[in-house]
Amino acid sequence: LAKTTQPISMDSYEGQEVNITCSHNNIATNDYITWYQQFPSQGPRFIIQGYKTKVTNEVASLFIPADRKSSTLSLPRVSLSDTAVYYCLVIGTYKYIFGTGTRLKVLA
Amino acid sequence: EAQVTQNPRYLITVTGKKLTVTCSQNMNHEYMSWYRQDPGLGLRQIYYSMNVEVTDKGDVPEGYKVSRKEKRNFPLILESPSPNQTSLYFCAIGGAGSTDTQYFGPGTRLTVL
Repeated sequence: LAKTTQPISMDSYEGQEVNITCSHNNIATNDYITWYQQFPSQGPRFIIQGYKTKVTNEVASLFIPADRKSSTLSLPRVSLSDTAVYYCLVIGTYKYIFGTGTRLKVLA
Repeated sequence: EAQVTQNPRYLITVTGKKLTVTCSQNMNHEYMSWYRQDPGLGLRQIYYSMNVEVTDKGDVPEGYKVSRKEKRNFPLILESPSPNQTSLYFCAIGGAGSTDTQYFGPGTRLTVL
């Protein structure tokens, strides 16, 4: 199972773009990269998922280089409500390993 | 939208008093799982179930039991709770495959005195 490493915390200001990078050196061929968001005392919520190159949805973009050993979650123009913990996961079958995530604090 | 219900949401109990935290879903998902979340440790999977009567251990199964007698429900059982099981517990549905999104319940905050 691929282990992920991401920064423990980040600060940003409202309106800025935030990029959170995750490394997953041991990712397997069939694994997907998935990001979740968690607010205090709530369950994690799915943000975005990708296999390679770039994926974009209404919330975020996910950039994955060709070697897939890392990925970057990009949050455009963050607001105070984006303050949360963001988890990078590499998912194969059945087992989710969350790690400790990146605590993003958005400042006014 | 996927709905995961957990009960109770908050529970304070004493060491050794058996308890059950219920989890039910409205999506007919085959895959369900339980996590605990502790400060500094993130979310850790306790048990998961791939279908009715099919369960398997996650990363921290000690002190817990589960059952899956019907697809809708996946209760977490603490036969003899101890203070180190004080935690925030989440039930989740989905996540059986690489592209299968997991949906989490609202959480159960358990305190064992």
